[in-house]
Amino acid sequence: NAGVTQTPKFRVLKTGQSMTLLCAQDMNHEYMYWYRQDPGMGLRLIHYSVGEGTTAKGEVPDGYNVSRLKKQNFLLGLESAAPSQTSVYFCASSNPGTGLSNQPQHFGDGTRLSIL
Amino acid sequence: DQQVKQNSPSLSVQEGRISILNCDYTNSMFDYFLWYKKYPAEGPTFLISISSIKDKNEDGRFTVFLNKSAKHLSLHIVPSQPGDSAVYFCAASKAAGNKLTFGGGTRVLVKP
Repeated sequence: NAGVTQTPKFRVLKTGQSMTLLCAQDMNHEYMYWYRQDPGMGLRLIHYSVGEGTTAKGEVPDGYNVSRLKKQNFLLGLESAAPSQTSVYFCASSNPGTGLSNQPQHFGDGTRLSIL
Repeated sequence: DQQVKQNSPSLSVQEGRISILNCDYTNSMFDYFLWYKKYPAEGPTFLISISSIKDKNEDGRFTVFLNKSAKHLSLHIVPSQPGDSAVYFCAASKAAGNKLTFGGGTRVLVKP
């Protein structure tokens, strides 16, 4: 059981280049998320999706776009990469919470992205 | 402005002793709290959670305490083991929503 799989694991880009990070989950989760992790900042939510075909902005959405064409996949795009986007990117998935109980998010192992 | 803060970036403890990790939050709308554990080159994994209707939740060696009036929660690990050496993140969310706000993390080192 793979859980949440992120590709690629590492990537180096030049300023202005574009790329797409792929996230795939095999747990049939409704919700998917993209985070970035920077030193001392914890994880910050970039975009999220509560179902196929729907996306919404998180805390730090600028410079990123996302798409959820299939329930199991969530793509994160950088149209014109900037050095400030150098970070570790994590994808996560979960089912909706019920009442006062949330369903824990399951994370992939991350994509380390460097923008030169 | 960080709404969830972990003021201790690191913690060192002897094997077998108690590890206490602290977390403070400012948003009174948060009412569900989680702790995640992260090893290097891996994604965070869920450890334990607590809702605002409780003040304590226990799972084996891990106990989370919530003090709503102080907007403070803590994670106790007893006894600490070398395999507990990792970065621990506190996270918070609002009821009926799954969006998480994370703290900056505390690196725990358990010495044999």
